[in-house]
Amino acid sequence: AQKITQTQPGMFVQEKEAVTLDCTYDTSDPSYGLFWYKQPSSGEMIFLIYQGSYDQQNATEGRYSLNFQKARKSANLVISASQLGDSAMYFCAMREGRGTYKYIFGTGTRLKVLA
Amino acid sequence: DAGVTQSPTHLIKTRGQHVTLRCSPISGHKSVSWYQQVLGQGPQFIFQYYEKEERGRGNFPDRFSARQFPNYSSELNVNALLLGDSALYLCASSPNRDSLNYGYTFGSGTRLTVV
Repeated sequence: AQKITQTQPGMFVQEKEAVTLDCTYDTSDPSYGLFWYKQPSSGEMIFLIYQGSYDQQNATEGRYSLNFQKARKSANLVISASQLGDSAMYFCAMREGRGTYKYIFGTGTRLKVLA
Repeated sequence: DAGVTQSPTHLIKTRGQHVTLRCSPISGHKSVSWYQQVLGQGPQFIFQYYEKEERGRGNFPDRFSARQFPNYSSELNVNALLLGDSALYLCASSPNRDSLNYGYTFGSGTRLTVV
């Protein structure tokens, strides 16, 4: 069964430091997409980065990069040079090729950036 | 350009009542999805509509229903409200249904409190 696991309920990071948020997934579909979303206190889910199961290289978007280890079924988000505005909930999510219309979300990690 | 807009932003209902939540997708987007996010959890998929037809349904009771209008806006209806229906209801839009590598755009949600 498809599943997303985020084992870190909360994380702290010093401003300007890098932080890694963990995500593992389970699926039997060879075609899938992995996504990270940021949810500030306003509630809106903000799309950060995408990694396809067939992508050979790790995805990067500005200060965000995704450490994709397919054999280990992990898709960790790395935020470099943390900023105070990065404080939020972060969700890892998956969509499968056979049912591309729905996300399966993890339980999220609350990140707090310290000044 | 306007993003995904949801209304109302907050509302309080009494057990047993009915509620209608509304969503306007990004202009040109034909697909609308609804998610329920209970406090402390990740969003759970409720419905997806594409071109006014239901294309997917999550594991929710028949008290939950939705529809999509010719202008691609959508309504989520919940009958016979229970305390457990208290949650943030998120709407997401995308241009089409089948593009795996597209990160859906979410609205800020409607926060429903059932008392």
